[in-house]
Amino acid sequence: DVKVTQSSRYLVKRTGEKVFLECVQDMDHENMFWYRQDPGLGLRLIYFSYDVKMKEKGDIPEGYSVSREKKERFSLILESASTNQTSMYLCASSFNLAGGLQKNEQFFGPGTRLTVL
Amino acid sequence: LAKTTQPISMDSYEGQEVNITCSHNNIATNDYITWYQQFPSQGPRFIIQGYKTKVTNEVASLFIPADRKSSTLSLPRVSLSDTAVYYCLVGYGGATNKLIFGTGTLLAVQP
Repeated sequence: DVKVTQSSRYLVKRTGEKVFLECVQDMDHENMFWYRQDPGLGLRLIYFSYDVKMKEKGDIPEGYSVSREKKERFSLILESASTNQTSMYLCASSFNLAGGLQKNEQFFGPGTRLTVL
Repeated sequence: LAKTTQPISMDSYEGQEVNITCSHNNIATNDYITWYQQFPSQGPRFIIQGYKTKVTNEVASLFIPADRKSSTLSLPRVSLSDTAVYYCLVGYGGATNKLIFGTGTLLAVQP
């Protein structure tokens, strides 16, 4: 079974802090994704990566950055956390088969609920 | 702005067939339609994917009309364990490879 793990289930940080959210997958997937999930807004793509050291902006990249130094690990970074970044953050991974990103089944981690005070 | 639209919630009873529709007016020629299911405190998981007409697997069917501007997820004979949020995903793609999840439909199955 594919396993996508996230470093924390719950995280509480203060405004202005630098926050790292870590995601690891064990299926040798090329693609990795970071989403945030908010009530009434569904899942919104923040960033994705299709290879080591490669990244692409999603729909809402402002206030976030990412790092992918190893194939299995994708980190989401909040350089200076703000209260409007309080949310559920979901990591996902998929193969990079023909047909484009949306053709390939994504496997999600359990999520990290981040609260910024 | 390209987006998908789903009902916010639906109610059903055990044993009934449930149909959840997603509207995606701006779907592109190469885009696929994918549905995911999410239980509380878990990440979404893949249910079914299609491009046109009808697709069926062991858990659901997906109906896509000829114009592909909408799709319907059909769950046969639902049980209490089917209570979850269901998301449709359409890649408003082309070169940008955008992934647009719908806002999700909360399906509540009652005994």
